Order: sequence, then C-alpha cells, then structure tokens
Amino acid sequence: DVVMTQSPLSLPVTLGQPASISCRSSQSLVHSDGKTYLNWFQQRPGQSPRRLIYEASKRDSGVPDRFSGSGSGTAFTLKISRVEAEDVAVYYCMQGTHWPPWTFGQGTKVEIK
Amino acid sequence: EVQLVESGGGLVQPGGSLRLSCAASGFTFSSYWMSWVRQVPGKGLEWVANIKHDGTEKHYVDSVKGRFTISRDNAKNSLHLQMNSLRAEDTAIYYCARARGCEYWGPGTLVTVSS
Repeated sequence: DVVMTQSPLSLPVTLGQPASISCRSSQSLVHSDGKTYLNWFQQRPGQSPRRLIYEASKRDSGVPDRFSGSGSGTAFTLKISRVEAEDVAVYYCMQGTHWPPWTFGQGTKVEIK
Repeated sequence: EVQLVESGGGLVQPGGSLRLSCAASGFTFSSYWMSWVRQVPGKGLEWVANIKHDGTEKHYVDSVKGRFTISRDNAKNSLHLQMNSLRAEDTAIYYCARARGCEYWGPGTLVTVSS
C-alpha cells in the first residue's frame, strides 16, 4: 500500500500570511496514463470533507485561487497564499494512482495564531 | 446541484449488521464510480470501498473484506453498504462520495458499534 505522510500535523498561522503543507508518498504517484492522482481535501470543523485540488495542481470549481497545489513524483505541497479565518480546517492529501486501496495522509490542522 | 445524503447509521452490538444507504441527486448517477469513506470522530479519513458505475468492479480496504458489501441501484440513484460482523473498530462516521477521486461528499452517517 502507498503510505501518505503529511507535515506538519499542526500549523499555526497568522491571518493574511501564507501557509504550506507537505505530503509525501511512499511511491511515485505518476500513473501509467501520465497523470498524477493526488488530491487535497479541506475539512472544516463539524463539516464533511471538500475536495480543493485534484491531479496535484488542478483547482476544483469554486475553490478560491489563494489555494494552490504543486509537486510531482513523491513530493507534493498545498499552499494558501494568504490565510483567512475560514481556512481553519484539517487538510488531507489522498492518492488515487496505486489502488486498491486509495490512501489518505494523516491530516494537517491549520489554526490561527 | 450534486447532493449525496447518507442514512442507516445507528447503534449496533458487536457482531451485528447494518445497511447504509446513500441517496444521490443532481447528476447522472449511473455514470460515476461511487465510494465509501469513514472517519472515527476526531481522527483521520479512511477509504472503505468503491464500486464502478455499472457495478461490475468493486474494491475494499483489507479490514472490511468479507464483512462489508458495496452495491448500487442505478434505477433508484442509490448506493449501499451492507456491514456484517461489525466490530468496535468499525465505529465511525461513514461518508459516501462521488467518484474514485471523492469530488463530492455527503454529510455522513454515524455508526456506533458497542454493547
């Protein structure tokens, strides 16, 4: 199984400042079709997860452009260019290249300092 | 608007069974893979199972193989998860999600396995 490792697990940030979350996979996530099936999800307190990013860097519809995804192979990053109060949440990465199983990272809790 | 609504959760004793359902609307249900993902309250996400759009392919996480069965009824736009031989460690919120990439999620239904 592909192991997804996120860091940090907790990220205190100042409003208006950038934030960055790392996600590393135990195997390359480049599929034989050339795509990289790495998704990022946001889960606000008391809510269901919401997908933000798919295929490592493509933003889902309605996602603010302050969120961006990057990376390739085994190393990926979710960046928030300027953190807003509504961004307080737990963020998860998930791989869908080597399945089954589809696997998630442990989650990174973003909170305001 | 895509909507997914789970139902069927509740309190069940160890060894018991539950059948979860997910009602889908706002999209052509029969065209999409569908997934179940669970989350122990306060913990992380775990993919449980998914099923191809026509029901011909199904996958499960090892911990539920032989105990859980995923199915779908495309005529009724519904997804199901039959859970047998339930264990305390199956206690979680169960979410249904559209597609293998989990692009849309329902609000979830809580399953509690306890005596």
